[in-house]
Amino acid sequence: NAGVTQTPKFRVLKTGQSMTLLCAQDMNHEYMYWYRQDPGMGLRLIHYSVGEGTTAKGEVPDGYNVSRLKKQNFLLGLESAAPSQTSVYFCASNLRDSRKYNQPQHFGDGTRLSIL
Amino acid sequence: ELKVEQNPLFLSMQEGKNYTIYCNYSTTSDRLYWYRQDPGKSLESLFVLLSNGAVKQEGRLMASLDTKARLSTLHITAAVHDLSATYFCAVDIAAYGGTSYGKLTFGQGTILTVHP
Repeated sequence: NAGVTQTPKFRVLKTGQSMTLLCAQDMNHEYMYWYRQDPGMGLRLIHYSVGEGTTAKGEVPDGYNVSRLKKQNFLLGLESAAPSQTSVYFCASNLRDSRKYNQPQHFGDGTRLSIL
Repeated sequence: ELKVEQNPLFLSMQEGKNYTIYCNYSTTSDRLYWYRQDPGKSLESLFVLLSNGAVKQEGRLMASLDTKARLSTLHITAAVHDLSATYFCAVDIAAYGGTSYGKLTFGQGTILTVHP
């Protein structure tokens, strides 16, 4: 029972390079989220998805794109990485009926990304 | 815009002492979450608080919610070293049953260090 799995766990990029972070969940959750965590700022929502084929912007979407081609996967892309995107990225998932069942979001272990 | 503020941001405690972490939020909401994060690790759900006056306890931690005051507290009783971690509160943006898609707004986090 893996839960939420993020790939890769660490990555160093040069400014201008592109990359994709993968999030996979095996709990059949409809909702998936990408957050970034920076010191002193908590977690901030980048993008989210409420089902296969859907995506929406969160609080800090600029510089990122996402796709949800399969229900179990949520991809976060950086087209042209910038030093300001150095951060720890967390993926999370939850049931559509999370409010009904009082379920909290389930988080992955994070991806530590450094942009030089 | 919803704002979530935690106080204090840094807390150094002696073992055996009691203390409280405060979480204030700016917009009406009906549910609040507390998470724990160990260094370099993922977020672990501690409490889900659903209604005004809700109180939940797990071991040496007790959380409460006052939706009228827009305030939640996390009380630590007789602290032990194993409680050293960062604690986050997070608010579900939807107000009273509205559709939020489970999006969360996090506080900055409180870094708790418990000394012998």
